[in-house]
Amino acid sequence: DTGVSQNPRHKITKRGQNVTFRCDPISEHNRLYWYRQTLGQGPEFLTYFQNEAQLEKSRLLSDRFSAERPKGSFSTLEIQRTEQGDSAMYLCASSLVGQNTEAFFGQGTRLTVV
Amino acid sequence: DAKTTQPPSMDCAEGRAANLPCNHSTISGNEYVYWYRQIHSQGPQYIIHGLKNNETNEMASLIITEDRKSSTLILPHATLRDTAVYYCIVRVPGTTSGTYKYIFGTGTRLKVLA
Repeated sequence: DTGVSQNPRHKITKRGQNVTFRCDPISEHNRLYWYRQTLGQGPEFLTYFQNEAQLEKSRLLSDRFSAERPKGSFSTLEIQRTEQGDSAMYLCASSLVGQNTEAFFGQGTRLTVV
Repeated sequence: DAKTTQPPSMDCAEGRAANLPCNHSTISGNEYVYWYRQIHSQGPQYIIHGLKNNETNEMASLIITEDRKSSTLILPHATLRDTAVYYCIVRVPGTTSGTYKYIFGTGTRLKVLA
């Protein structure tokens, strides 16, 4: 397994367009997280899945954002009507279920809204 | 909000041990301490985690005080490639029972000097 994979690595889009990012977690990892990171800040939690169920969403996840994990494997994060403030690195992480586990992060998708 | 506080930056001479402190005075009894690092433009890399016992792996050692209110990450022989932002995280329960999320602060920027 090559770890958590995110695509695309970079995305430039015009304001108002929709974008979709994909995350492929490590095989057999039930938990999947999405984070957003802006320059100079630590990653901020957006949402969390356990298998296909979206169990928690941050208040940062406005109604323009939607995340899915339809079959409990890969996940997508869609941003509708992008704004310049959406420019950030979007990170995905996965882990096994359990108390004494660790999450592994992908390399992220860097979004630039122009 | 992050439950940890870290110094914003530190320097360390190459070949010497790097000791990165972290305060987490409000940690609860069943919350784990995690350390990740992030090299510029990459996703966070898992280093180590622990609950109350000291832990060691091939990358680092984690020393947790007996009262669990603080911890120290030790990189025994720092190299130039260890230059990164190091995040100390208390993994907190999610809103759904049995779930967790990682809340990042702003981390410590470690610079290893030749």
